[in-house]
Amino acid sequence: EAQVTQNPRYLITVTGKKLTVTCSQNMNHEYMSWYRQDPGLGLRQIYYSMNVEVTDKGDVPEGYKVSRKEKRNFPLILESPSPNQTSLYFCASSTGVSRGLTDTQYFGPGTRLTVL
Amino acid sequence: DAKTTQPPSMDCAEGRAANLPCNHSTISGNEYVYWYRQIHSQGPQYIIHGLKNNETNEMASLIITEDRKSSTLILPHATLRDTAVYYCIVRVARRDDKIIFGKGTRLHILP
Repeated sequence: EAQVTQNPRYLITVTGKKLTVTCSQNMNHEYMSWYRQDPGLGLRQIYYSMNVEVTDKGDVPEGYKVSRKEKRNFPLILESPSPNQTSLYFCASSTGVSRGLTDTQYFGPGTRLTVL
Repeated sequence: DAKTTQPPSMDCAEGRAANLPCNHSTISGNEYVYWYRQIHSQGPQYIIHGLKNNETNEMASLIITEDRKSSTLILPHATLRDTAVYYCIVRVARRDDKIIFGKGTRLHILP
């Protein structure tokens, strides 16, 4: 089954304790991205990656890092989490709109993070 | 900022067609119109997309005006499971494109 998986689904942590949220897709997609969702603010893009070793900032990248060493994985790293990073996080992947292809983004189930 | 404008909420009776409008008056010639929905904190789900022709799939129909400045998503026979937030998005057809989600329309299906 074509899917995007995220782990963990729920995480409660404390300020300053480094954490990683994993994201994996089995569709051989080049494009992957991370979003956060907060009440009243909708979905906001954190980082995206057009392909392996190619990453770029989205709209709200402060406090986050990403890496893209393999095509299928795109982990989100919070080096020193703070309470304002408490949010619902979604990973997504797609083929990207290029080379005549139109695109469909597939989203993961979400990770609910609470930073105390 | 989102390139689209949607009403914050709408109601629709179960079994009736739900028509969700979206304005995208600054859309460029190579931008597609996409619709996604999100059911209560689940990951957004792709519904349909189009460039300038009307499109239909098993979930919905997408009607894009001739000037491409607005579109309408039609759920032909709404059910309670269609209660969700619906997002209209425009995307540029290039590799460094960015997806910007606005606040969407919260659709309530009434029994």
